Amino acid sequence: AQSVTQPDIHITVSEGASLELRCNYSYGATPYLFWYVQSPGQGLQLLLKYFSGDTLVQGIKGFEAEFKRSQSSFNLRKPSVHWSDAAEYFCAVVISGSARQLTFGSGTQLTVLP
Amino acid sequence: DGGITQSPKYLFRKEGQNVTLSCEQNLNHDAMYWYRQDPGQGLRLIYYSQIVNDFQKGDIAEGYSVSREKKESFPLTVTSAQKNPTAFYLCASTQRGQANTGELFFGEGSRLTVL
Repeated sequence: AQSVTQPDIHITVSEGASLELRCNYSYGATPYLFWYVQSPGQGLQLLLKYFSGDTLVQGIKGFEAEFKRSQSSFNLRKPSVHWSDAAEYFCAVVISGSARQLTFGSGTQLTVLP
Repeated sequence: DGGITQSPKYLFRKEGQNVTLSCEQNLNHDAMYWYRQDPGQGLRLIYYSQIVNDFQKGDIAEGYSVSREKKESFPLTVTSAQKNPTAFYLCASTQRGQANTGELFFGEGSRLTVL
């Protein structure tokens, strides 16, 4: 069965510092890959997605992610974190081409220090 | 503005009572979904519907029921058979063509607490 691993439960960074959130998936085929963000008590918002082509994808709010097939990874990055980026971040994958099969990681909580 | 409206935002229930969570969307989306979120876990799919009058069980459908009588509406009933209903519930939707791509639009959620 497909699975998504976010190894970091909680990450703390200072405002202005760079950020990398890790995501690994387990499946033989290349999936569709997503990062969603959730502010406290809110729903999820799509940050970016990878379907095919260029392995470095740009998203909203200055985020980017890189797909590395050899490492089965799709890590999220931001060069300079803002206090408003504090939230929970979820990696998700679709393997069989149906949202029914959308599988979420357990999430990484980001704290931003002033 | 188009979006997904979930109500109520907070709900308290006594054990043994059924409760219904509302989800309404004005995005003209075909597919709608209900997810459950617990602390430290990802989202788990409860039910989903690709078209009106049709819905499918997700991974954790036991103790829940849904209906899809209108395109805009996809209410979720948490029944007394659900053993651990305290959770954050999220409704989502997408266009039928995008249902194959995992790009979902989410409501702001409903937090259910069983007393």
